Amino acid sequence: DIQMTQSPSSLSASVGDKVTITCRATQPISNYLNWYQQKPGKAPKLLIYATSSLQGGVPSRFSGSGSGTDFTLTISSLQPDDFATYYCQESYTPGVTFGPGTKVDVK
Amino acid sequence: QVQLVQSGAEVRNPGSSVKVSCKASGGSFSTYGISWLRQAPGQGPQWMGGIIPFLNRPNYAQNFQGRVTITAEKSTTTAFMELRSVRSEDTAVYYCALSSAGGLDVFDIWGQGTRVSVSS
Repeated sequence: DIQMTQSPSSLSASVGDKVTITCRATQPISNYLNWYQQKPGKAPKLLIYATSSLQGGVPSRFSGSGSGTDFTLTISSLQPDDFATYYCQESYTPGVTFGPGTKVDVK
Repeated sequence: QVQLVQSGAEVRNPGSSVKVSCKASGGSFSTYGISWLRQAPGQGPQWMGGIIPFLNRPNYAQNFQGRVTITAEKSTTTAFMELRSVRSEDTAVYYCALSSAGGLDVFDIWGQGTRVSVSS
């Protein structure tokens, strides 16, 4: 089974900061990597699919990159609405796997 | 735009079963992939299985094989997830999620979640 790790597990940042979250897969997954945002008490929301494609309605300050086993989610200028937990998810194998999450909170 | 509305919170004793529903509205139910995921406190979501109503052939995660049944009623555009022999570790929020591209892999629309608590 593919396992996903994320780093850091949490980070503190200020509005306007550039934020980078890393996701790593235990085996190559090509570009089958997706990112979700989740706020407390809410369902996850798809932000980016296939490594770098922005889901409709998602602000352009979010971007994704990577290939193989190493992937990155970048928020170019953190906004108040972006404080949340972010999950990566591989969709390379049947029975997808999510990462443990990265919580972004206020510095 | 498709919306998914799930049934309400459930409390179960260990060893019993729980069945959660997920009603879809506003889209082409039969051609979407509908998955069930759960999320325990402080953890990432975990995929349990899914179904494409057009094919009516469910797929299950190995961890849940034999204990979960996923079905879909095209006439009512409702999907169901039944989990049997529940135990305390099954306490979680259960989500249905839709893949509008038709697979069971990328989840672009989610239900609001159903909290299932297992306790004696």
